[in-house]
Amino acid sequence: SAVISQKPSRDICQRGTSLTIQCQVDSQVTMMFWYRQQPGQSLTLIATANQGSEATYESGFVIDKFPISRPNLTFSTLTVSNMSPEDSSIYLCSAGTSGYSYNEQFFGPGTRLTVL
Amino acid sequence: AQSVTQPDIHITVSEGASLELRCNYSYGATPYLFWYVQSPGQGLQLLLKYFSGDTLVQGIKGFEAEFKRSQSSFNLRKPSVHWSDAAEYFCAVGAMENYGGSQGNLIFGKGTKLSVKP
Repeated sequence: SAVISQKPSRDICQRGTSLTIQCQVDSQVTMMFWYRQQPGQSLTLIATANQGSEATYESGFVIDKFPISRPNLTFSTLTVSNMSPEDSSIYLCSAGTSGYSYNEQFFGPGTRLTVL
Repeated sequence: AQSVTQPDIHITVSEGASLELRCNYSYGATPYLFWYVQSPGQGLQLLLKYFSGDTLVQGIKGFEAEFKRSQSSFNLRKPSVHWSDAAEYFCAVGAMENYGGSQGNLIFGKGTKLSVKP
């Protein structure tokens, strides 16, 4: 298993600004994922972040809006750029271990973002 | 396309009663199936998973789930619910294949909120 921490746990931001969310894993992992959970909704995958390569974005999400870094096997950041109230969500980081079972993902506690 | 359906948005059970949360999936090959629990203000915790083998899987906190291929279902059960089980439960399906360009992607259902009456 893996233990994942996220910073910040919550934030209130002004429209037009950007916020970078950090995700730290206590062990080296192959794959890291970023999800968005809008109020009352399920989780939607934003992108997959592999170390040493560009992040892979899901339909409806673009790099200019959600730039991601993955500098090593234990750390990733997600930036929410030029924020609007529609970006108010919980953002969750997860990690998949190597091998066939990398579908098994361990989640961080989430970052609750409110945009005014 | 892969999808997960949790038909019950909200369920209320009495403490000590049995529980079954429904999950149906749509996927062309053998899926990898998961149940996660999210307590208020918390992240997701993995309850149990099915990859292959025995179709009845045991998880943490006394939960179990049964994979029924013929019904495309993976229902979560618990024989006796505790007040601390009140939370939101998410079913998810994953695949080994590079689906949608996101290898290892999980598709989540919309969740079932469980309330427990004393």
